[in-house]
Amino acid sequence: EAGVAQSPRYKIIEKRQSVAFWCNPISGHATLYWYQQILGQGPKLLIQFQNNGVVDDSQLPKDRFSAERLKGVDSTLKIQPAKLEDSAVYLCASNHLAGSDTQYFGPGTRLTVL
Amino acid sequence: AQSVTQLGSHVSVSEGALVLLRCNYSSSVPPYLFWYVQYPNQGLQLLLKYTTGATLVKGINGFEAEFKKSETSFHLTKPSAHMSDAAEYFCAVSDLRLTFGTGTRLTIIP
Repeated sequence: EAGVAQSPRYKIIEKRQSVAFWCNPISGHATLYWYQQILGQGPKLLIQFQNNGVVDDSQLPKDRFSAERLKGVDSTLKIQPAKLEDSAVYLCASNHLAGSDTQYFGPGTRLTVL
Repeated sequence: AQSVTQLGSHVSVSEGALVLLRCNYSSSVPPYLFWYVQYPNQGLQLLLKYTTGATLVKGINGFEAEFKKSETSFHLTKPSAHMSDAAEYFCAVSDLRLTFGTGTRLTIIP
């Protein structure tokens, strides 16, 4: 079974530029998550999708971050414009159901904002 | 709101010694509890989880954890450390949202 795929693995941009990350979850997983992991901290949930609907985006900075999962499969997370404090690893995860079901994580995208 | 506290951001043990990583949680509902491991430049991998039933949970790579409701703890242990155990370990609690602790970096001394 293929795991969660993410691209790119690394991205370096200047502040105020825009950037997009892509995630393809495990086949059949209805729930998809985007996390932000700042160096030295645990991952923090940004947004959770159930199929193509948003379940939880309470911690997403909506003035600059957006995400979509149009066909209920793969997803894109965008930052526009980027700030220095957005430097982090962005992790995508998926599972069948929220709650007790194990989340499976992709390798992440390391973003550096200069 | 749920939260997780991991005591000790860095833990060093000798190869062959006991590994003990501490995790305390708070949750307003019966929790689901997880331990994940993260190797450098990789995503998180599940070590073990507690949902219901037996409070001693066995995971991969010889790790286990015990859910103690009275102490609101879910400490991770391994009887004998191996060099390959060097990594970052995260405790997490979930109702519908997975909330992580700040992590413990485990170093193994040869």
